[in-house]
Amino acid sequence: ILNVEQSPQSLHVQEGDSTNFTCSFPSSNFYALHWYRWETAKSPEALFVMTLNGDEKKKGRISATLNTKEGYSYLYIKGSQPEDSATYLCASSGYSTLTFGKGTMLLVSP
Amino acid sequence: DGGITQSPKYLFRKEGQNVTLSCEQNLNHDAMYWYRQDPGQGLRLIYYSQIVNDFQKGDIAEGYSVSREKKESFPLTVTSAQKNPTAFYLCASTGLNQETQYFGPGTRLLVL
Repeated sequence: ILNVEQSPQSLHVQEGDSTNFTCSFPSSNFYALHWYRWETAKSPEALFVMTLNGDEKKKGRISATLNTKEGYSYLYIKGSQPEDSATYLCASSGYSTLTFGKGTMLLVSP
Repeated sequence: DGGITQSPKYLFRKEGQNVTLSCEQNLNHDAMYWYRQDPGQGLRLIYYSQIVNDFQKGDIAEGYSVSREKKESFPLTVTSAQKNPTAFYLCASTGLNQETQYFGPGTRLLVL
């Protein structure tokens, strides 16, 4: 079983703050790294899939980076808004399955 | 609209009872997955199926069974052998490239 760790477990920021989370994963047998956003009462929604060392992806105010050699990925949110409040999950994929971390719960206060 | 549906939204199980959770997708995806979430835990894989009439155990398959008779459907049965079934259950599917997984809205199972 791959061990995927996320930190912090939870985070409370004010509207307009920028924030970032960390996902660490075993670097051996790496295939892809996934980020999902899971809002309360909704289904998890895919944000990014990254495969190459040094990959950087961006969607609006959210971006992510990947370091496969040292086994970590960062997710950044610039200028957090209340609608960014959600649990952010990362998952490392093997050949056909994903192993998820426990998630980082973000609360953005107005 | 294409997507994944799960039913029911809430399900109650009595002691010794088997219950079945439904998962249907109209995305024409080949692979389907069942996950369980407990408080403070990440999503844990119960079973998955990459093709019709074939499925594999995930990390926590004991006490569960599945079938994949149709591409669109992947029902999960929680058997009486599952001693701690109270949890939130998510179904997901993915296409040929098996990259992004698309999730259903989930079923919360409670024991009476």
